[in-house]
Order: sequence, then structure tokens, then C-alpha cells
Amino acid sequence: AQSVTQLGSHVSVSEGALVLLRCNYSSSVPPYLFWYVQYPNQGLQLLLKYTTGATLVKGINGFEAEFKKSETSFHLTKPSAHMSDAAEYFCAVRAASGSARQLTFGSGTQLTVLP
Amino acid sequence: DAGVIQSPRHEVTEMGQEVTLRCKPISGHDYLFWYRQTMMRGLELLIYFNNNVPIDDSGMPEDRFSAKMPNASFSTLKIQPSEPRDSAVYFCASSFATNEKLFFGSGTQLSVL
Repeated sequence: AQSVTQLGSHVSVSEGALVLLRCNYSSSVPPYLFWYVQYPNQGLQLLLKYTTGATLVKGINGFEAEFKKSETSFHLTKPSAHMSDAAEYFCAVRAASGSARQLTFGSGTQLTVLP
Repeated sequence: DAGVIQSPRHEVTEMGQEVTLRCKPISGHDYLFWYRQTMMRGLELLIYFNNNVPIDDSGMPEDRFSAKMPNASFSTLKIQPSEPRDSAVYFCASSFATNEKLFFGSGTQLSVL
């Protein structure tokens, strides 16, 4: 079984500051890892994903995440926050092997960007 | 492409009534997922289909919930009878077999009074 823990349900940063959203996973098999973003009154949108290959993954809107197997982490970063980044961010995991396709989502981190 | 289309956008009903939520996945996608989002429990997978066949319904909370996918372009999630604790946002999402990206609809905000 897989699970995800997102540290910090709310994170506030100033515009232009570094964004760091933390995600740790638990998986008995190699994982696929994802970050999704949800804007108010909308469905989730994929920011980036790690499946295989390079452990540093770049996504949309300047976000990136690094898969660290030794730390079981997949933290999301952005060098400089923009007001439009204010949203809720979800980390998700699924098993890389097998036929199961369902994602397990973390509880989400609400990002506030201060002017 | 219009994306994943869900209807209605909002539903307000009284306890005991039947509720039907609808979803049209993106054309060509062969996986369809129903998720429920609440403040207390976050995002929970209810059920998912592959090629219109239910694969895993272990997340369906109880017999009051049922889901169908009669064809590749339509799915329903039905709650009968509805209860106040069913109040949540229900999301439908679809994906294509060889792509790990889920496409979500805008959700149905359900309020059971």
C-alpha cells in the first residue's frame, strides 16, 4: 500500500521568495509520484510527475521536485513565488508496478503568497 | 478538447432523496475515476473504471453509493438515499493508459440538507 504525508497544511511566503512544499511518501514498491495544484472552485491539474529516469523533475509554471529515495521525499520547489501561485497543492503516489492505476493523495497544502 | 465535463455544478437536495452525478470523460481516455473531497477526509478515491469496467470500488462508502459506466463517454455516480454526511465535492477524472496524467473535471458541489 502507498501513502503520502504533506508537512504543513498551510504555507505562507512573500512574493518573490522561495516556495518549498514538503511531501514524504511510503510505498512497499517503487513509486510514481505526482504534484497536483487546485485553484478555487476548480479540479486538480497536474504540475509534474516522477515515473522513471531523472530524479529532478521540472513542471509547469516554474515548479520542480526532486525524488529522493533515501529520504522517501518528493518536495516541491519554486525559486520565486508569484501571486498567481496561491492555491492548494497535493502530492500523490501510486505503485510503479502492477495494474492498479489509482492515486493516493496527501491532505494538501494551502499556499498563500503575500504581497 | 472540452476536458472532463461534470454536471450538475452544484446540487442541493434533502436527506433521503436520490442524487445522480454525471461525468463525460475526455474522448479516447480509457480510465475514469470518481473522487470525493471533504475538509475532514481530503481526496478519497471512490471507484475507477477501465474500458467501462469497474476495477476497484473498495472506496465506495456503502451500498447507498453506486456507479455505472454504460459507454466510453458517460458515467454516473448515484447516491440513494442521500444523507447529510454525503455533502462534499465529487470529482470525476479521466486518463489514457500510457499517460500518467489525470484530467479532472470542475467537480459537483453536493449539499444534502
